[in-house]
Amino acid sequence: QVQLVQSGGGVVQPGGSLRLSCAASGFTFSSYAIHWVRQAPGKGLEWVAVISNNGSRKYHADSVKGRFTISRDNSKSTLFLQLNSVRAEDTAVYYCVLFPVYWGQGTLVTVSS
Amino acid sequence: SYELTQPPSVSVSPGQTAKITCSADALSEKYVYWYQQKSGQAPVLVIYEDTERPSGIPERISGSSSGTMATLTISGAQVEDEADYYCYSTDSTGNHRGIFGGGTKLTVL
Repeated sequence: QVQLVQSGGGVVQPGGSLRLSCAASGFTFSSYAIHWVRQAPGKGLEWVAVISNNGSRKYHADSVKGRFTISRDNSKSTLFLQLNSVRAEDTAVYYCVLFPVYWGQGTLVTVSS
Repeated sequence: SYELTQPPSVSVSPGQTAKITCSADALSEKYVYWYQQKSGQAPVLVIYEDTERPSGIPERISGSSSGTMATLTISGAQVEDEADYYCYSTDSTGNHRGIFGGGTKLTVL
């Protein structure tokens, strides 16, 4: 069965960096685009980024463009999200998503000094 | 910027029909997906490609789309349907950037 297991969340200071990971199994990882979605506490869902199956195309939301970078390692069936220059408003649960059905368990990123 | 607009809240009594709308200018050119999210849980897909229901989703949940508006309908709403509902589509640029509606809190009481 499809599994998306996330890791890498935690507390980071404003202006700092963090890398999120999403290990996939149960499907041919290299055949699918994968997304990141986040949800700030008490707020709605926000689409963050998508990467094509081979990694050649990447798109980021305007709110994170230039600060966050999506990437993947198909040899390890793993998706990444590099968060740089983080701000308080980046505090959220981050999900990796194989649209439209499969979501990771979510990982909390807290930006705080 | 492209936006999907949902009402913040909908309230019905058990057994009544709940309708949640999602509107946007270019919606007629895109598929809409609907997610149900209960407190503390990851979202669950309840409708895909405007009208299709995944296996395991009750038949009382249905979707429709016409023009610039998509609608999620819950016929005979039950207490367990109380949740936040989000519509999702891709934006108007055609490059697979996603976009969610602001979410609708469905109250059944």
